[in-house]
Amino acid sequence: DGGITQSPKYLFRKEGQNVTLSCEQNLNHDAMYWYRQDPGQGLRLIYYSQIVNDFQKGDIAEGYSVSREKKESFPLTVTSAQKNPTAFYLCASSVFSQSNTDTQYFGPGTRLTVL
Amino acid sequence: AQKVTQAQTEISVVEKEDVTLDCVYETRDTTYYLFWYKQPPSGELVFLIRRNSFDEQNEISGRYSWNFQKSTSSFNFTITASQVVDSAVYFCALSEVTSGTYKYIFGTGTRLKVLA
Repeated sequence: DGGITQSPKYLFRKEGQNVTLSCEQNLNHDAMYWYRQDPGQGLRLIYYSQIVNDFQKGDIAEGYSVSREKKESFPLTVTSAQKNPTAFYLCASSVFSQSNTDTQYFGPGTRLTVL
Repeated sequence: AQKVTQAQTEISVVEKEDVTLDCVYETRDTTYYLFWYKQPPSGELVFLIRRNSFDEQNEISGRYSWNFQKSTSSFNFTITASQVVDSAVYFCALSEVTSGTYKYIFGTGTRLKVLA
């Protein structure tokens, strides 16, 4: 079955530690995205990548880093510089076209809690 | 500035009632896309519909229907004969065709509770 997988589903981290969230897709999509969701709020874009070895900052990139070495994978690292990392993180992917309006499909999410 | 407003934070209905979720958007672009997603308790966002700014035809899919009105910048979502399985948070989103810049703006969501 084609889809997007995120692991782990729940993640606990101590303050001051970096942690990496995994996102893999087998939809053959070019573009991938990371969003953060806080209670009662909409999704906010952290980073996105439209092609391998290239990525762009979203609206709230500070304290996060990404890599895109393979088309299928777009891991997100939450660094110790992120002041308030406890949140629900969603990965998405889409076909990429110049119009940037293609439908995004989402993974099941990772809930990160900083202890 | 681009913006999506979902003024209804939470709605509760009894099963089999009809319910409408409101979405109002702001954009300067003439070409844009609107989306609705469903987020059940499991957390994953499920895509429901995509509509471009040039197509104002209303759409119906089973118990779901969408009313797009450019004159009022609204893209409302109606569930007919609601069921308990419809309980979820629903997000409206806007995507603009802006040269060289990616934009996908989400509203804050409406939590729908369908009571048996």
